[in-house]
Amino acid sequence: DVKVTQSSRYLVKRTGEKVFLECVQDMDHENMFWYRQDPGLGLRLIYFSYDVKMKEKGDIPEGYSVSREKKERFSLILESASTNQTSMYLCASSGDSVYEQYFGPGTRLTVT
Amino acid sequence: GDSVTQMEGPVTLSEEAFLTINCTYTATGYPSLFWYVQYPGEGLQLLLKATKADDKGSNKGFEATYRKETTSFHLEKGSVQVSDSAVYFCALRRREAGTALIFGKGTTLSVSS
Repeated sequence: DVKVTQSSRYLVKRTGEKVFLECVQDMDHENMFWYRQDPGLGLRLIYFSYDVKMKEKGDIPEGYSVSREKKERFSLILESASTNQTSMYLCASSGDSVYEQYFGPGTRLTVT
Repeated sequence: GDSVTQMEGPVTLSEEAFLTINCTYTATGYPSLFWYVQYPGEGLQLLLKATKADDKGSNKGFEATYRKETTSFHLEKGSVQVSDSAVYFCALRRREAGTALIFGKGTTLSVSS
């Protein structure tokens, strides 16, 4: 079974802090994704990566950056956390030969 | 651009009732279509998929048929259970490499005994 793990289930940070969310997949997938999920808005794509050191902006990249130094790991960085970044963050991965994405359990981030 | 539209929720049903959650899409070409389910406190899980027109995806009693003529992928189940209470997301993915899923906003299903 594909396993996607995220570093924290719950995280509380203060406004202005730099925040790192880590995601690791164990299936040698080429593609990795970061979404945020908010009530009434569904899932919105922040960034994705189709190869090591490659990244593409999604629909809402402002205020975020990403890093992919190794194939199995994809990090989401909030350079200076703000209260409007309080949300559920979901990581996913997929291979090039299959279209479905596999999701991690999510990190619920609260910025106070 | 590509988009997915789902029926608004929440949907509230009694156990053993018939379920339909409508999903329509707008996309270039012939995308792959998916239904994901999110149980409380968890991430999303793939429920079923269809990769070409007239394909029927099925899993755990749920079914959806890829209808190219109506650009739809409605989710159905003949007899829901309390354990089916969750949020259901319809999604599409274009065939080009390096593209992400596009999700609908989700439909919350609540089943009571």
